[in-house]
Formats: sequence, structure tokens, C-alpha cells
Amino acid sequence: DVKVTQSSRYLVKRTGEKVFLECVQDMDHENMFWYRQDPGLGLRLIYYSFDVKDINKGEISDGYSVSRQAQAKFSLSLESAIPNQTALYFCATRELGQQTYEQYFGPGTRLTVT
Amino acid sequence: DQQVKQNSPSLSVQEGRISILNCDYTNSMFDYFLWYKKYPAEGPTFLISISSIKDKNEDGRFTVFLNKSAKHLSLHIVPSQPGDSAVYFCAARSNFGNEKLTFGTGTRLTIIP
Repeated sequence: DVKVTQSSRYLVKRTGEKVFLECVQDMDHENMFWYRQDPGLGLRLIYYSFDVKDINKGEISDGYSVSRQAQAKFSLSLESAIPNQTALYFCATRELGQQTYEQYFGPGTRLTVT
Repeated sequence: DQQVKQNSPSLSVQEGRISILNCDYTNSMFDYFLWYKKYPAEGPTFLISISSIKDKNEDGRFTVFLNKSAKHLSLHIVPSQPGDSAVYFCAARSNFGNEKLTFGTGTRLTIIP
């Protein structure tokens, strides 16, 4: 089974603070993704990476940055958190070439910005 | 612009009956569709998928139907069980050269014992 680990389950930050969310997967999957979930909006893609040297913006990348430190690690940063970044954040991975296009998700981090 | 839409935010079904969750899409470049299930405090988990070259895929109690002309897919669960209570997301993959998924807004299914 693929295991996707996220560094925190719950985080509470003040406006203006920096936030760092780390994601680690144990299968060396090439593709990694960061999503946020908001009530009524489903899962929206923030950033994605197809390998260590490839980083791409998703549909809602403003206010976020990422780094792919290794095949297994993909981190999401909020340089200066604001209250409307309060959401549930998920990391996901996918094996390149997998024909079902299935992504494997971590347990999520609930971020609250006050 | 919401390319994948789940118009029912919630659905309640009696245990043992059929649950039908619906999903509509607008992008004709989508060629693969997936359903995910999400329990509270957990990440989404893959449930079932279908390629656009098929109109039906079945896995145990779960069947996904695809109507390409209507740009509509549905997930049937029969018989419904209490453990099926969860939020269900449909997702679609575009054949336009990338591996991203576009997700719908989710439907919360509640199975009534």
C-alpha cells in the first residue's frame, strides 16, 4: 500500500505567519500534488510536480509556493498566511504511467489562520 | 468555471436500497473519470474509475455509468450499507497532455439504518 504522510494534522497560525507543510511518500512516485478543500468547492489544485525538476502551478497557486526536495518529498509553503487560506490541505501522489490515473492522498492538514 | 459538477450536495438513502450519485462535466477533452470516497479526518480514497471508451464499469457493489453524449456519469451503490456514508467526489482527467485531475464539489451520502 502507498503511504502518504503529512507533517501536521492540525495547525493554527496568526495572520502574517509563515506556514510550512511537508509531504512524504514511501513509493517514490514521480507525480506529486497539493490540493486544498473548502466547503462547497471540492478539491482544488494548488501546485503539482511530475519529477524533482518539474514544478507547475495549479488553478489556485497565488499566495503559495512549493519545493520538491527529493522524489519522495513535496512541501507547500505559505509565506504570509491570511484568513482566507483557512482550509483542509491534501498532498497526493501518482505513479507515472499508471493507467487508472489514480492518485493516493495523505490524511490532510487542517489549517486555521486567525 | 466549474468543469466538473456534482449538483447534489447531499443525499440520504435507506440501508439496502440503491444510492445514485451524479456528476456532470463540460470539458469534452476529459477521457478518464474516477470516483473517490472520503471519510471525516481522512484523505480521499480511490473507489472506481472508467475510461471514456466504455459506458459501464462494475466492481462489486459499485457501478459507474458514463454517458458521453450527455457528459454525465453516475455512481450506483447497491445495496447501500452504513459504511458507505461518506463524501463522494467525482474527478476527471483531460487527454490534453497532462496527468492532472479536476474534481467535483462532492456529495455527502448518508445511509439511514
